[in-house]
This record gives sequence, structure tokens and C-alpha cells, in this order.
Amino acid sequence: SQQGEEDPQALSIQEGENATMNCSYKTSINNLQWYRQNSGRGLVHLILIRSNEREKHSGRLRVTLDTSKKSSSLLITASRAADTASYFCATAMNTGFQKLVFGTGTRLLVSP
Amino acid sequence: NAGVTQTPKFQVLKTGQSMTLQCAQDMNHNSMYWYRQDPGMGLRLIYYSASEGTTDKGEVPNGYNVSRLNKREFSLRLESAAPSQTSVYFCASSETGGAFGYTFGSGTRLTVV
Repeated sequence: SQQGEEDPQALSIQEGENATMNCSYKTSINNLQWYRQNSGRGLVHLILIRSNEREKHSGRLRVTLDTSKKSSSLLITASRAADTASYFCATAMNTGFQKLVFGTGTRLLVSP
Repeated sequence: NAGVTQTPKFQVLKTGQSMTLQCAQDMNHNSMYWYRQDPGMGLRLIYYSASEGTTDKGEVPNGYNVSRLNKREFSLRLESAAPSQTSVYFCASSETGGAFGYTFGSGTRLTVV
């Protein structure tokens, strides 16, 4: 079963706008990660936020984590057409071997 | 620096045929994984190898077997392919578990007819 659920399933914006996608999960985690997948390609790791962190930045990416609500958000600022892709959150559990469990993804379309 | 290499990229099988998907990483990672990706379902873990010499079942292991041949290579075998195994298969590796990000291969698109 999926641990993470992304919302929305699809998002369409114009270049220059900000894109926000959300991820909710069910159980206690060690960390949460975001990945990007361009059409027909493998996933690329974007950013990792640990359970004791609340916010993290990487270039135009901003990730927040609220462990009390079991949710995370990914903000992409000043979107570009090249940001068009699917975005997945993945959670690493707090117990046992930390294999990642992926959500179902958000499809982002950025139009010129 | 190739990262994670998967072969083949595309494959069509007839029901009942067998095949092995190959995966190799050159980053000296300890852990390796096989996922399948189906439309609307995200990625589901088939098998993983926490370290060389160990393998464990993931969420959807039925119909598959794996071999961690050495630290670099982790293969996935379909003994008797079924149409339900039509999917895109991704291999990934990480230093150890999910404490750091995964590196993914480019995938194998498998169709079983």
C-alpha cells in the first residue's frame, strides 16, 4: 500500500508562477524525500528533509515538513517549462531497514 | 560516471516466457532495489538488497526472483511472465537504506502479451 499520497494529482500553471504540491503519509518517518521524473525517464532525487527539520531549501525548491500533521509540501518558485515532470514524495520509515515507500505522484505542466 | 545502468531498455515477452533484467551500479552503494511503476500507482517495491549477500521481499514480490550477484549487480528474474507483469521496472541504489537519496536507472519497459 502507498505510504504517501500527493495532492493535487495534476497541476497546470504558466511559466513564472509558483507550483505547490502536497504529500500526506500515514506512519512515523525518519525522513521524507522528493523526486522528479521526466516523461519516459528514471526518477531524480531532489531534496531530503529529516523528521527533526521543518523547512529546507535547494535553489528554487522549498520543502516543509509537519510531522504532527504527517504532511509535507514542495514549492517550486518561478516555474520554467523545463520543470514539467511528475513529482513524487517518498518516505523512509523510522523502524527497521529504511527502504523508501513512494506516493502516486503529482503531474506538473508548466506552459510557456 | 554511469550511475545505475539497466538492460534491456525495452522487452516484449510472450506469456510463460522467462527473462532476467540486469542492473549494475558503479557508486559503491551498499543497497539496491527493484521497483515497478504502473499508471496511477506510483512505484511499488518488488525486492531489495540491503547489502551484498542479502535479499528481501518488498510489497509485490510474487512472480519474481532476485540475485545480488556482487556489490555492483542486482538482477530481477521473471520465471513465467504474465500480462499482469507488464510494467516499467526501475532499479535503484543507495549508500545504505533510505538515509540518503536513491539513484535510479532509466528503466526497462516490459510488455507481456
